[in-house]
Amino acid sequence: GESVGLHLPTLSVQEGDNSIINCAYSNSASDYFIWYKQESGKGPQFIIDIRSNMDKRQGQRVTVLLNKTVKHLSLQIAATQPGDSAVYFCAETFQGAQKLVFGQGTRLTINP
Amino acid sequence: DTAVSQTPKYLVTQMGNDKSIKCEQNLGHDTMYWYKQDSKKFLKIMFSYNNKELIINETVPNRFSPKSPDKAHLNLHINSLELGDSAVYFCASSRREIAGYTGELFFGEGSRLTVL
Repeated sequence: GESVGLHLPTLSVQEGDNSIINCAYSNSASDYFIWYKQESGKGPQFIIDIRSNMDKRQGQRVTVLLNKTVKHLSLQIAATQPGDSAVYFCAETFQGAQKLVFGQGTRLTINP
Repeated sequence: DTAVSQTPKYLVTQMGNDKSIKCEQNLGHDTMYWYKQDSKKFLKIMFSYNNKELIINETVPNRFSPKSPDKAHLNLHINSLELGDSAVYFCASSRREIAGYTGELFFGEGSRLTVL
């Protein structure tokens, strides 16, 4: 069946360090991936996306890497700040799927 | 100017009751969704509607009945509530699919349902 999983359910980093959140997916048909951030008491918010014809995409302080060979993607957050504390989800879809399938989520906590 | 708004934010009720959650989006999107988030934060799609037409029903019990009076509204009615229905329910919307792909989802803030 469909599944999008994460290696680590929680991640703690020091403020100012870089964070790396990983995600494994199992649906070989998936070719579009999105990272979402969910702060406490709020709905998930889009961070960055990547299509399967790319290996890397950069945004503001965030970078997504995609390795299709091992069905793995990661979200890198540079110079992590207290405001980055949240649960991060990867989601996958493919042409015609008409839905996003979300992974389990990783809780990122920032140590001062 | 809330883009996707859902009410109520909190709902506490007894087993066996019937309850509704309402959702409205002012983004002009064609597609709306209901997702369920359990206590472990797992987000699972329940339904999606495109222009008032049901597109996806992810094997949700028929105690759950979505209704879309127009493309800006998608309500969720739940009959005979059970303990396992306790969760946070998120409404979301997206633009019409571009080149066959689901567009970026815009989520509401969630409705936390607690069944006692």
